[in-house]
Amino acid sequence: QQQVKQSPQSLIVQKGGISIINCAYENTAFDYFPWYQQFPGKGPALLIAIRPDVSEKKEGRFTISFNKSAKQFSLHIMDSQPGDSATYFCAAGSGAGSYQLTFGKGTKLSVIP
Amino acid sequence: DAGITQSPRHKVTETGTPVTLRCHQTENHRYMYWYRQDPGHGLRLIHYSYGVKDTDKGEVSDGYSVSRSKTEDFLLTLESATSSQTSVYFCAISGRAGGLETQYFGPGTRLLVL
Repeated sequence: QQQVKQSPQSLIVQKGGISIINCAYENTAFDYFPWYQQFPGKGPALLIAIRPDVSEKKEGRFTISFNKSAKQFSLHIMDSQPGDSATYFCAAGSGAGSYQLTFGKGTKLSVIP
Repeated sequence: DAGITQSPRHKVTETGTPVTLRCHQTENHRYMYWYRQDPGHGLRLIHYSYGVKDTDKGEVSDGYSVSRSKTEDFLLTLESATSSQTSVYFCAISGRAGGLETQYFGPGTRLLVL
């Protein structure tokens, strides 16, 4: 049972464009929603994260939008650059302390010049 | 870097042999995790630990065991490796970033079971 559904599987964006990746979750107990960025041969690295008490969080060119009623959240990458080409994973977690995370299946982003 | 190392980084083994992967942290974090990553499946939790000698199963724990005798080390053992366990294995630890608890990942171990 997949608890976090991520789309699209792959995405090609022109340099300077906006990349948008969407995730939907089922478990209403989730209260923590991070995004991870992974480059080939490396481990995932935390990019940005949000709690349900806010609808949007922005860090530089990266923005998380969160819709609690729809149980959806998305990552927007503004002014996408070739260096942003990577695989992006959304995740959802719950429970204080351990924050066990359930991951989406990932989106491979390619930003072309 | 979150102070996580994994060893070995690459391993080739044969079906039926035991394999142990090691995760070492220098951050003194309580929580440690083992994930496997496979194409089309993302990251799936195998086991996690919430303290020395305290471990619990994750989503895909069959065929795997873990041990944690020291805070800094978390071992993942495949008692009898199978080809379906060919994967990239990541260790993670919990830490805080921007006031939020999150997980930091190691560099991974590529395991090929022939």
